[in-house]
This record gives sequence, C-alpha cells and structure tokens, in this order.
Amino acid sequence: SQQGEEDPQALSIQEGENATMNCSYKTSINNLQWYRQNSGRGLVHLILIRSNEREKHSGRLRVTLDTSKKSSSLLITASRAADTASYFCAPWEGGGNKLTFGTGTQLKVEL
Amino acid sequence: ETGVTQSPTHLIKTRGQQVTLRCSSQSGHNTVSWYQQALGQGPQFIFQYYREEENGRGNFPPRFSGLQFPNYSSELNVNALELDDSALYLCASSYPGLLNNEQFFGPGTRLTVL
Repeated sequence: SQQGEEDPQALSIQEGENATMNCSYKTSINNLQWYRQNSGRGLVHLILIRSNEREKHSGRLRVTLDTSKKSSSLLITASRAADTASYFCAPWEGGGNKLTFGTGTQLKVEL
Repeated sequence: ETGVTQSPTHLIKTRGQQVTLRCSSQSGHNTVSWYQQALGQGPQFIFQYYREEENGRGNFPPRFSGLQFPNYSSELNVNALELDDSALYLCASSYPGLLNNEQFFGPGTRLTVL
C-alpha cells in the first residue's frame, strides 16, 4: 500500500477562516480517505472519495480528487476552534486492508 | 451500535517487560488492525487479524504478536519492551464487505516504557 503525504505540515488560522490541506500520493487508487485526530486520541473518519469522483461535500468539509495529478485537497470552511486537530489522508489502492498514513497536517484554529 | 473500545487507556512499563493491550471491535466488524503512533508521526501499521488469523503484517519484529478471538476482539502483545516502544497504540476495526476499507478507530492506549 502507499502512503499519502500531507501538506502543509502545520497550518494556523483564525476562527471563521477556511483551511485547506493537500495530499499527494504515488500510484492508482480505489479511494482516498481523510481522518482527523484530536490530540492524543484515536482517528475519526471524516470523508471518503472514490477514484471516479472529483468532488465530495460533507457539512463544512469539501474534498477534491485529481487522479491525473495524484492529489487531493480537504477544505474546511468557516473553521472553529474545535477543528484544531491533525488531519491525515489515506490513499487506498484496493486489495489488502491496511491503511498507510503520512505525518499529517496539524491545524490550529485560534479564537 | 457499540464503537471500538481499547484498554487500558494508559500504561507504564519498564524496559524488558511484557505488555498486553486489548481491543473490542465495532459491532459487526470481523477485521481488526493495530497501529503504532510515535509522537509527531502518523500511525504505522503493525498487523491485521481477520477471522482469527493474521492477515498482513507491517515492518515490526516478532516480539509484536497478536490474537483475535471468536467474538472478533483482539489483543496486541509486546515482549521485551524497548524505550522506542513508547507510543500510542491504536486499534481499528473494519468490515471487508463494505469494499471501501473504511477503518473505525478506538481511542488508543498510551504506552510509556521507562
């Protein structure tokens, strides 16, 4: 399986602003998943986008996928202090069930 | 529907000791994966159990071993603990029938090796 690389490593914004984080990967995928991790806790699945989808929305989250560039972006609109967390992307090739994570983007939303 | 639970929450051990961590999978899930997350890093895959059999392993030495029980709960055992084993250990359950590999994570066990 392959590892996604998140960018930037860290992002600090004011509450109410939008946060965009990016993910790059190397080979063809079945789907790409985004997870959030609050400090020292388990990961929470946020959203999954399949390889034949280009954009997906869930509440304040918008995910895009560009398979030609092997990249994805996660946009959080109207951010809140509670969005402060680490965000990980997990590209899945299909076959085998493990996920491989990069080092994540650490988002800090300040009041 | 019950989520993934892990025990204990925190654990302190000394170098050379052995530790057992436990995980109960989400209701209906027959696959459990274990991950190790060092501080500032992403989770690293240790191994996966499917229907009580090991079903894939990451780059971890044999002193990391596991079990899965008929009710799909799982244990992670680490022998001869080393200082570098200090990490957050995450368990995740999934159901291959979903065909999308979405993983449901527990809250983790924080292991400190002194």
